[in-house]
Amino acid sequence: AQSVTQPDIHITVSEGASLELRCNYSYGATPYLFWYVQSPGQGLQLLLKYFSGDTLVQGIKGFEAEFKRSQSSFNLRKPSVHWSDAAEYFCAVGARAGGFKTIFGAGTRLFVKA
Amino acid sequence: DAGVIQSPRHEVTEMGQEVTLRCKPISGHNSLFWYRQTMMRGLELLIYFNNNVPIDDSGMPEDRFSAKMPNASFSTLKIQPSEPRDSAVYFCASSSSGGLETQYFGPGTRLLVL
Repeated sequence: AQSVTQPDIHITVSEGASLELRCNYSYGATPYLFWYVQSPGQGLQLLLKYFSGDTLVQGIKGFEAEFKRSQSSFNLRKPSVHWSDAAEYFCAVGARAGGFKTIFGAGTRLFVKA
Repeated sequence: DAGVIQSPRHEVTEMGQEVTLRCKPISGHNSLFWYRQTMMRGLELLIYFNNNVPIDDSGMPEDRFSAKMPNASFSTLKIQPSEPRDSAVYFCASSSSGGLETQYFGPGTRLLVL
């Protein structure tokens, strides 16, 4: 069965520092991979997605993610974090199982310190 | 576009009462998803519809939960009778193509069952 693991429950980085959020997935075929962000009191918003092609995917707000099949990973990165990036980040894997189902990871909460 | 609309935004009720959550998806989207988010269990897919037809309801916790989508612009999630453990934030999301495309989330309904 497909699953998503986000090893870090929370991460704290300084404003201006680089960021990497880890995501590992389990799925037998080529996965559809997503990163969503949730600001406090809000719904989730898509940052980026990978279906096929170039394994380095660019998203909104300066985020990017790299799909590494050999490591079953889809880590999210940003070269310079802004205070407004403080939020919860969810990695998700989608798979065809009858219809289509998206499985979300537990989330990583990002704290940004001045 | 107004985005996904959910009502009410907050609901406080007493154990045993019926609760109805409502969702209006983005116009033109043919897939609709109901999620539940709690601290303990994270984000869980409850059910999703494609072209108004329920495709996967394996996430619905028990018979107390039911969901309907009578037309392309409206869906309800009903809990009867409600229990304190149903307290959570319930999100509705819609997408244009069965979940392979970006899911757009509503702001959520925060439910508290006393």
